[in-house]
Amino acid sequence: EIVLTQSPATLSLSPGERATLSCRASQSLGSYLAWYQQKPGQAPRLLIYDASNRATGIPARFSGSGSGTDFTLVISSLEPEDFAVYYCQHRSNWPPALTFGGGTKVEIK
Amino acid sequence: QVQLVQSGAEVKKPGASVKVSCKASGYIFTGYYMQWVRQAPGQGLEWMGWINPLTGGTAYAQKFQGRVTVTRDSSIRTVYMELQRLRSDDTAVYYCARAGEGNSSPNYWGQGTLVTVSS
Repeated sequence: EIVLTQSPATLSLSPGERATLSCRASQSLGSYLAWYQQKPGQAPRLLIYDASNRATGIPARFSGSGSGTDFTLVISSLEPEDFAVYYCQHRSNWPPALTFGGGTKVEIK
Repeated sequence: QVQLVQSGAEVKKPGASVKVSCKASGYIFTGYYMQWVRQAPGQGLEWMGWINPLTGGTAYAQKFQGRVTVTRDSSIRTVYMELQRLRSDDTAVYYCARAGEGNSSPNYWGQGTLVTVSS
């Protein structure tokens, strides 16, 4: 069973600052990692798929990188609407599963 | 445009069952897997299972094996998730989420259905 560990749990930053979020996997994922953003009371929104590809409509300030067991989501300059919880996610075919990390909360400092 | 519209909030007693529906529109229903993910209050996201609407084939998280059933009715473009033998810790928002090409990461989500389990 794959375990995804996100760090830090909470990131306190100001608008305009750069946010760097980490996701570490218990075994190699290749490039099959996605990132989601979730705001209170809303469903998650897909930001990044296959480690580094932005989903449709996602601003360029969001970028993903990494492969194997270490992945990073960077928000280059935080906008007020970016303060939210971010989850990494992996899909495996066998055993079939969607695995989510525990989340990183990006909060206003 | 792709839309997933879920059924409304439910309140159930421990031991009962709940069936949540997810009506899809705006795309070829049988072309994309549908996932079910839940989120307990203040907690993270937890995958429950998926269905291939074309074949009806399913896969479930081990944690829910024997308690969850995902089905579909292609004639009305609707997927269902039934959870049996409810416990208080099943209180959560339940989401359906449409996968991308080849059962890749879900890129469309329903609005969520709050299921409250309380005596």
